[in-house]
Amino acid sequence: DTAVSQTPKYLVTQMGNDKSIKCEQNLGHDTMYWYKQDSKKFLKIMFSYNNKELIINETVPNRFSPKSPDKAHLNLHINSLELGDSAVYFCASTPLGAGSTDTQYFGPGTRLTVL
Amino acid sequence: TQLLEQSPQFLSIQEGENLTVYCNSSSVFSSLQWYRQEPGEGPVLLVTVVTGGEVKKLKRLTFQFGDARKDSSLHITAAQPGDTGLYLCAGRAGGTSYGKLTFGQGTILTVHP
Repeated sequence: DTAVSQTPKYLVTQMGNDKSIKCEQNLGHDTMYWYKQDSKKFLKIMFSYNNKELIINETVPNRFSPKSPDKAHLNLHINSLELGDSAVYFCASTPLGAGSTDTQYFGPGTRLTVL
Repeated sequence: TQLLEQSPQFLSIQEGENLTVYCNSSSVFSSLQWYRQEPGEGPVLLVTVVTGGEVKKLKRLTFQFGDARKDSSLHITAAQPGDTGLYLCAGRAGGTSYGKLTFGQGTILTVHP
């Protein structure tokens, strides 16, 4: 199936640990994003990559490091996890060049719980 | 910083009722999108509005973009339990596909049978 997929779906870990979330899209899109959705359902952009290059970097702690090995993959590594990092993290992708009306295709989300 | 204020935050209604969700900003957006998110899933695009004053209909859902492109509304006629979900408005500034989406706080809609 064509889609945006994320692994893992659920991640429970202890404070201070380092963890990674992976995202893959087989839609042939050039731009990928990471969003964080908090407990109040507020969705906020964290990073965006276009063809493996970082193009949007919001005010995010430098414990968060995105990496795009190729344009179909965007991973998120988080160091020294804190309680406040608990949230649902969504990956999304969008095609290039369609102007301001691009549809963003979201993955199913990764629910991160830091204990 | 562009902000989108979405209201109401929660809406609980009976099947058959009509409802309207509002999305307001002091900033101008080049386009505005409405997404619907179900539990355990990512948001899915419902509609994109681009032109000031534009009205789009999707079955029982009517979307309107304000004349000044600062606000939008989603109206649902004769709501059904299947309409239950989180509704998100999202505005895009600028004309490039790199332009980031700014999301509203979301409206959690529950339609009771």
